[in-house]
Amino acid sequence: DTGVSQDPRHKITKRGQNVTFRCDPISEHNRLYWYRQTLGQGPEFLTYFQNEAQLEKSRLLSDRFSAERPKGSFSTLEIQRTEQGDSAMYLCAARMGGSTGELFFGEGSRLTVL
Amino acid sequence: AQSVTQLDSHVSVSEGTPVLLRCNYSSSYSPSLFWYVQHPNKGLQLLLKYTSAATLVKGINGFEAEFKKSETSFHLTKPSAHMSDAAEYFCVVEDNAGNMLTFGGGTRLMVKP
Repeated sequence: DTGVSQDPRHKITKRGQNVTFRCDPISEHNRLYWYRQTLGQGPEFLTYFQNEAQLEKSRLLSDRFSAERPKGSFSTLEIQRTEQGDSAMYLCAARMGGSTGELFFGEGSRLTVL
Repeated sequence: AQSVTQLDSHVSVSEGTPVLLRCNYSSSYSPSLFWYVQHPNKGLQLLLKYTSAATLVKGINGFEAEFKKSETSFHLTKPSAHMSDAAEYFCVVEDNAGNMLTFGGGTRLMVKP
Protein backbone atom coordinates (compact mmCIF):
# COMPACT_ATOMS: atom_id res chain seq x y z
CA ASP A 1 0.00 0.00 0.00
CA THR A 2 1.56 3.27 -1.18
CA GLY A 3 -0.86 5.48 0.71
CA VAL A 4 -2.11 7.03 -2.54
CA SER A 5 -5.65 6.07 -3.49
CA GLN A 6 -7.50 6.95 -6.65
CA ASP A 7 -11.18 6.92 -7.47
CA PRO A 8 -12.82 5.67 -9.56
CA ARG A 9 -10.57 2.87 -10.74
CA HIS A 10 -12.47 2.55 -13.99
CA LYS A 11 -14.71 4.99 -15.83
CA ILE A 12 -16.53 4.43 -19.11
CA THR A 13 -18.15 7.46 -20.63
CA LYS A 14 -19.54 8.69 -23.90
CA ARG A 15 -17.75 11.26 -26.01
CA GLY A 16 -18.65 14.78 -24.96
CA GLN A 17 -19.33 13.97 -21.32
CA ASN A 18 -17.35 15.40 -18.41
CA VAL A 19 -15.45 13.16 -16.01
CA THR A 20 -13.66 13.80 -12.72
CA PHE A 21 -10.99 11.73 -11.04
CA ARG A 22 -9.94 12.04 -7.44
CA CYS A 23 -6.61 11.33 -5.77
CA ASP A 24 -6.11 11.00 -2.02
CA PRO A 25 -2.52 10.96 -0.78
CA ILE A 26 -1.54 10.71 2.85
CA SER A 27 -1.40 13.99 4.75
CA GLU A 28 2.40 14.21 4.69
CA HIS A 29 2.52 14.14 0.88
CA ASN A 30 2.80 17.82 0.10
CA ARG A 31 3.77 17.31 -3.55
CA LEU A 32 1.20 15.72 -5.83
CA TYR A 33 1.56 14.85 -9.51
CA TRP A 34 -0.78 13.74 -12.30
CA TYR A 35 0.43 11.56 -15.15
CA ARG A 36 -1.32 10.03 -18.14
CA GLN A 37 -0.42 6.60 -19.52
CA THR A 38 -1.74 5.28 -22.82
CA LEU A 39 -1.56 1.64 -23.80
CA GLY A 40 1.99 0.49 -24.45
CA GLN A 41 3.56 3.80 -23.46
CA GLY A 42 5.29 5.20 -20.43
CA PRO A 43 3.48 7.70 -18.22
CA GLU A 44 3.52 11.34 -19.41
CA PHE A 45 3.63 14.27 -16.99
CA LEU A 46 0.50 16.42 -16.84
CA THR A 47 0.82 18.71 -13.82
CA TYR A 48 1.98 18.95 -10.23
CA PHE A 49 1.07 20.71 -7.00
CA GLN A 50 3.12 21.88 -4.05
CA ASN A 51 0.47 21.87 -1.33
CA GLU A 52 -2.47 23.73 -2.90
CA ALA A 53 -0.43 25.61 -5.52
CA GLN A 54 -0.34 24.26 -9.06
CA LEU A 55 3.25 24.96 -10.07
CA GLU A 56 3.64 23.42 -13.50
CA LYS A 57 1.41 22.23 -16.33
CA SER A 58 2.37 20.23 -19.38
CA ARG A 59 1.33 21.26 -22.87
CA LEU A 60 -0.56 17.96 -22.88
CA LEU A 61 -3.00 19.57 -20.47
CA SER A 62 -5.37 21.23 -22.93
CA ASP A 63 -7.99 23.73 -21.84
CA ARG A 64 -10.46 20.86 -21.46
CA PHE A 65 -8.41 19.59 -18.53
CA SER A 66 -8.36 21.19 -15.11
CA ALA A 67 -6.74 20.04 -11.91
CA GLU A 68 -7.24 21.33 -8.40
CA ARG A 69 -5.96 20.68 -4.92
CA PRO A 70 -8.09 23.05 -2.87
CA LYS A 71 -6.82 22.36 0.63
CA GLY A 72 -3.48 20.83 -0.19
CA SER A 73 -4.79 17.36 0.56
CA PHE A 74 -6.84 15.49 -2.08
CA SER A 75 -6.72 16.50 -5.74
CA THR A 76 -9.18 16.29 -8.61
CA LEU A 77 -8.57 16.08 -12.32
CA GLU A 78 -11.53 17.02 -14.51
CA ILE A 79 -11.81 16.43 -18.22
CA GLN A 80 -14.56 18.35 -20.00
CA ARG A 81 -16.12 17.34 -23.32
CA THR A 82 -14.21 14.08 -23.43
CA GLU A 83 -12.79 12.81 -26.70
CA GLN A 84 -11.82 9.28 -27.66
CA GLY A 85 -8.17 10.32 -27.52
CA ASP A 86 -8.56 10.97 -23.81
CA SER A 87 -8.87 7.22 -23.21
CA ALA A 88 -5.94 6.38 -20.97
CA MET A 89 -4.86 5.52 -17.45
CA TYR A 90 -4.61 8.61 -15.25
CA LEU A 91 -2.01 8.18 -12.53
CA CYS A 92 -1.59 10.18 -9.37
CA ALA A 93 1.69 10.25 -7.49
CA ALA A 94 2.77 11.98 -4.31
CA ARG A 95 5.86 12.56 -2.22
CA MET A 96 6.77 13.97 1.15
CA GLY A 97 9.02 16.91 1.77
CA GLY A 98 10.28 18.89 -1.19
CA SER A 99 11.54 17.40 -4.39
CA THR A 100 13.68 14.54 -3.21
CA GLY A 101 11.42 12.15 -1.36
CA GLU A 102 10.34 8.86 -2.91
CA LEU A 103 7.43 9.22 -5.29
CA PHE A 104 4.49 6.96 -4.46
CA PHE A 105 2.01 6.09 -7.18
CA GLY A 106 -1.65 5.22 -6.92
CA GLU A 107 -3.08 2.36 -8.95
CA GLY A 108 -4.59 4.71 -11.48
CA SER A 109 -7.97 5.57 -12.92
CA ARG A 110 -8.68 4.02 -16.29
CA LEU A 111 -10.83 6.12 -18.62
CA THR A 112 -12.55 4.68 -21.66
CA VAL A 113 -14.33 7.15 -23.95
CA LEU A 114 -16.80 5.54 -26.35
CA ALA B 1 15.49 19.02 -21.81
CA GLN B 2 15.74 15.42 -20.73
CA SER B 3 14.76 12.16 -22.37
CA VAL B 4 14.95 8.44 -21.82
CA THR B 5 15.21 5.65 -24.37
CA GLN B 6 14.55 2.05 -23.46
CA LEU B 7 16.21 0.07 -26.17
CA ASP B 8 13.97 -3.01 -26.05
CA SER B 9 10.20 -2.94 -25.91
CA HIS B 10 10.08 -6.66 -25.07
CA VAL B 11 12.60 -8.97 -23.42
CA SER B 12 12.05 -12.68 -22.93
CA VAL B 13 14.22 -14.82 -20.65
CA SER B 14 14.00 -18.26 -19.10
CA GLU B 15 13.55 -18.61 -15.38
CA GLY B 16 16.92 -18.74 -13.64
CA THR B 17 18.81 -16.90 -16.40
CA PRO B 18 20.15 -13.33 -16.20
CA VAL B 19 18.06 -10.27 -16.99
CA LEU B 20 19.33 -7.17 -18.80
CA LEU B 21 17.01 -4.25 -19.51
CA ARG B 22 18.72 -1.40 -21.34
CA CYS B 23 18.23 2.32 -20.81
CA ASN B 24 19.95 5.37 -22.25
CA TYR B 25 19.22 8.87 -21.06
CA SER B 26 19.83 12.41 -22.20
CA SER B 27 20.19 15.24 -19.73
CA SER B 28 21.97 18.58 -19.59
CA TYR B 29 22.90 18.14 -15.92
CA SER B 30 23.72 15.36 -13.50
CA PRO B 31 20.44 13.49 -13.39
CA SER B 32 18.62 11.43 -10.85
CA LEU B 33 17.67 8.13 -12.46
CA PHE B 34 15.18 5.50 -11.42
CA TRP B 35 13.76 2.16 -12.41
CA TYR B 36 10.10 1.50 -11.71
CA VAL B 37 8.18 -1.76 -12.15
CA GLN B 38 4.51 -2.06 -13.03
CA HIS B 39 2.69 -5.35 -12.54
CA PRO B 40 -0.71 -5.82 -14.21
CA ASN B 41 -3.43 -3.88 -12.42
CA LYS B 42 -0.93 -2.60 -9.87
CA GLY B 43 0.61 0.78 -9.25
CA LEU B 44 4.14 1.70 -10.22
CA GLN B 45 6.70 0.57 -7.66
CA LEU B 46 10.18 1.98 -7.20
CA LEU B 47 12.91 -0.64 -7.81
CA LEU B 48 15.95 1.55 -7.31
CA LYS B 49 17.28 5.09 -7.51
CA TYR B 50 20.57 6.73 -8.52
CA THR B 51 21.35 10.19 -7.14
CA SER B 52 25.08 10.75 -7.80
CA ALA B 53 26.39 8.62 -5.00
CA ALA B 54 27.64 5.09 -5.81
CA THR B 55 27.41 4.29 -9.51
CA LEU B 56 26.24 0.73 -8.82
CA VAL B 57 22.83 0.87 -7.22
CA LYS B 58 21.15 -2.07 -5.56
CA GLY B 59 17.40 -2.28 -5.45
CA ILE B 60 14.66 -4.55 -4.26
CA ASN B 61 14.13 -8.16 -5.35
CA GLY B 62 17.76 -8.66 -6.39
CA PHE B 63 17.80 -5.99 -9.12
CA GLU B 64 20.69 -3.59 -9.58
CA ALA B 65 21.65 -0.91 -12.07
CA GLU B 66 24.92 0.74 -13.03
CA PHE B 67 25.18 4.41 -13.92
CA LYS B 68 27.71 4.97 -16.72
CA LYS B 69 28.09 8.65 -17.48
CA SER B 70 30.43 8.11 -20.44
CA GLU B 71 27.80 5.91 -22.10
CA THR B 72 24.79 7.84 -20.74
CA SER B 73 23.35 4.49 -19.72
CA PHE B 74 21.56 3.09 -16.70
CA HIS B 75 20.93 -0.57 -17.49
CA LEU B 76 18.98 -2.79 -15.10
CA THR B 77 20.22 -6.29 -14.33
CA LYS B 78 19.35 -9.30 -12.23
CA PRO B 79 21.47 -12.45 -12.03
CA SER B 80 18.60 -14.93 -12.04
CA ALA B 81 15.07 -14.26 -13.28
CA HIS B 82 12.03 -15.42 -11.34
CA MET B 83 8.55 -15.94 -12.72
CA SER B 84 7.30 -13.14 -10.47
CA ASP B 85 9.62 -10.68 -12.27
CA ALA B 86 7.35 -10.70 -15.33
CA ALA B 87 6.11 -7.12 -15.58
CA GLU B 88 6.61 -3.79 -17.34
CA TYR B 89 9.76 -1.89 -16.38
CA PHE B 90 10.28 1.83 -16.78
CA CYS B 91 13.52 3.78 -16.76
CA VAL B 92 12.97 7.33 -15.49
CA VAL B 93 15.01 10.54 -15.34
CA GLU B 94 14.17 13.40 -13.01
CA ASP B 95 14.88 17.06 -13.65
CA ASN B 96 17.32 18.70 -11.27
CA ALA B 97 14.59 20.67 -9.53
CA GLY B 98 12.69 17.49 -8.73
CA ASN B 99 9.65 18.85 -10.50
CA MET B 100 9.11 16.29 -13.20
CA LEU B 101 9.90 12.70 -14.00
CA THR B 102 10.33 11.69 -17.63
CA PHE B 103 9.57 8.04 -18.35
CA GLY B 104 10.93 5.80 -21.04
CA GLY B 105 8.55 3.84 -23.21
CA GLY B 106 8.84 0.73 -21.05
CA THR B 107 10.20 -2.78 -21.48
CA ARG B 108 7.92 -5.74 -21.02
CA LEU B 109 9.81 -8.58 -19.37
CA MET B 110 8.51 -12.08 -19.99
CA VAL B 111 9.88 -15.02 -18.00
CA LYS B 112 9.49 -18.50 -19.42
CA PRO B 113 9.41 -21.54 -17.14
